[in-house]
Amino acid sequence: GDSVTQMEGPVTLSEEAFLTINCTYTATGYPSLFWYVQYPGEGLQLLLKATKADDKGSNKGFEATYRKETTSFHLEKGSVQVSDSAVYFCALSETLGNNRLAFGKGNQVVVIP
Amino acid sequence: NAGVTQTPKFRILKIGQSMTLQCTQDMNHNYMYWYRQDPGMGLKLIYYSVGAGITDKGEVPNGYNVSRSTTEDFPLRLELAAPSQTSVYFCASSYPTTWDSSRETQYFGPGTRLLVL
Repeated sequence: GDSVTQMEGPVTLSEEAFLTINCTYTATGYPSLFWYVQYPGEGLQLLLKATKADDKGSNKGFEATYRKETTSFHLEKGSVQVSDSAVYFCALSETLGNNRLAFGKGNQVVVIP
Repeated sequence: NAGVTQTPKFRILKIGQSMTLQCTQDMNHNYMYWYRQDPGMGLKLIYYSVGAGITDKGEVPNGYNVSRSTTEDFPLRLELAAPSQTSVYFCASSYPTTWDSSRETQYFGPGTRLLVL
């Protein structure tokens, strides 16, 4: 079945550092790819998405490019802030799958001042 | 708009008790979902609905039931609570605007934290 794999473990970094969170996927068709963010005590909210190969999603300084050849959708931000501390989830939704989402395990990101 | 609302925020159940987790959305979304989030894990789909009167199983449906009598409401029922159902439950909704619903954003509620002892 469809699945999403995120890099293991929390990510701790200093303010203004570069952030990368790796995400790879397995899917039978041509999925849409998403990054959702969960701030402490809240539900998930969409950060960005890409719906076809080579699309780049971007929002709030974050970017991710849909790479079909490497089945990846890595999240990047050039200069993180303390307010970016959150859990980040990579997810996919298969075409004709009724928008059901398959999630990765998530990565806790802690930004230290 | 309130978006997706869930009640209660937190609940403690004893083994074997039953309860209903409420979910309401005011965005006129026809697609609704229930997920559970276990510590250190991603979200797993329990049940979903593509419209009033239509429901279907997700990845982890055992021990749960749902109904969808209106567009707005999608309650999740636990009949015989077990410790394995200790989790955070999220309801979500979306609204397909094209033939390919996979592209749509899902909007999540704040979650219900459930502890079964």
